[in-house]
Amino acid sequence: QVQLQESGPGLVKPSETLSLTCSVSGGSISPYYWSWIRQPPGKGLEWIAYIYFTGTTNYNPSLKSRLTVSVDTSRNQLSLKLSSVTAADTAVYFCARHSAGANDYWGPGTLVTVSS
Amino acid sequence: EIVLTQSPGTLSLSPGERATLSCRASQSVNNNYLAWYQQKPGQAPRLLIYGASSRATGIPDRFSGSGSGTDFTLTISRLEPEDFAVYYCQQYGISPRTFGQGTKVEIK
Repeated sequence: QVQLQESGPGLVKPSETLSLTCSVSGGSISPYYWSWIRQPPGKGLEWIAYIYFTGTTNYNPSLKSRLTVSVDTSRNQLSLKLSSVTAADTAVYFCARHSAGANDYWGPGTLVTVSS
Repeated sequence: EIVLTQSPGTLSLSPGERATLSCRASQSVNNNYLAWYQQKPGQAPRLLIYGASSRATGIPDRFSGSGSGTDFTLTISRLEPEDFAVYYCQQYGISPRTFGQGTKVEIK
């Protein structure tokens, strides 16, 4: 059974960089696509980016200038870096696997709060 | 980007009743690449339907998806107590991928 687990600081200061890791167990990173998705408290879902196991990426244009997503197949991990964060970036961040395009396995999510 | 509009915002029904949720796209969804997810409080979304009408692994057959182009529907034939949740549609045919704003199915 594939399991995903997001990890990283729960509190980030405004203007700093948010860094998260998604660890995949029970299966391989390859040959799948993987997404990052976020959900502000009490609100809906927003797709952030996806990455192929080869490292090919596709970013949401609304975040592209601040975003870096990468994959480490040797560690079976994904990472997300979002720079120059503001309170609007406060959200639960999920990583999720693609299967037939849709997201079939999800991590439980990690809450990141942007506050000084 | 494709804007997905879900209706109604809230659906108040009783267990055993039929639920019909709508998702309308601002332009045609390529290859009917439309998914439905269920989300309960404090949990990650769960994939129910992909490709507009294919049930994901382990999803009960009371959940069905239909539609094409710009109009899609999720139907729950007989609501079970565990089905009361928020439901989101997502299109993954054109980048950026987008989600609808959600429909809450609550107990009447």
